[in-house]
Amino acid sequence: SQTIHQWPATLVQPVGSPLSLECTVEGTSNPNLYWYRQAAGRGLQLLFYSVGIGQISSEVPQNLSASRPQDRQFILSSKKLLLSDSGFYLCAWKGSELMDSNQPQHFGDGTRLSIL
Amino acid sequence: QKEVEQDPGPLSVPEGAIVSLNCTYSNSAFQYFMWYRQYSRKGPELLMYTYSSGNKEDGRFTAQVDKSSKYISLFIRDSQPSDSATYLCAISYSSASKIIFGSGTRLSIRP
Repeated sequence: SQTIHQWPATLVQPVGSPLSLECTVEGTSNPNLYWYRQAAGRGLQLLFYSVGIGQISSEVPQNLSASRPQDRQFILSSKKLLLSDSGFYLCAWKGSELMDSNQPQHFGDGTRLSIL
Repeated sequence: QKEVEQDPGPLSVPEGAIVSLNCTYSNSAFQYFMWYRQYSRKGPELLMYTYSSGNKEDGRFTAQVDKSSKYISLFIRDSQPSDSATYLCAISYSSASKIIFGSGTRLSIRP
């Protein structure tokens, strides 16, 4: 069965510091991968998605970037964090068009990021 | 107008009650409907998804879609304290399209 891992679960960082959040998926090949941010009491905001290695689409302009160095690895980064980057960051995967194309996205357990 | 609207609650009901959670959406082109459950400090967990109007049942959960009214519902029968969570509705044009999430309804089941 497929599983998705995110780490760390919690992170406290000072303003201006760099960021790297990692997400890996097991048990599937060529998944679509997604990064979301969830603010308290609000829906999920899609930040980035990727349909393959090195292919990244950005949904909103911001201080963050994403990379996909391997098929099942998705990384969210920042060079200099802002206070407004605080939030709950979620990674999700979905089967590609060739496999399980009707299945919705499945989420990891997220990283709670606090910027001080 | 938001593409999907969901009452944030909180909603508190006694154990054993039937719970009704609802969302409305604005564009009749949306064809794919999902419900996720999210426990505190966890990621959303997929409960149900459907393309069709009508009802889809899975155990104590029933998802209902009324495309003519642009209204989707999730019913929970025989509610349990373990059902206490935030429930997110989600819609998209197709299974391959971007998902738009409601803001979530916080549900509490009192023992």
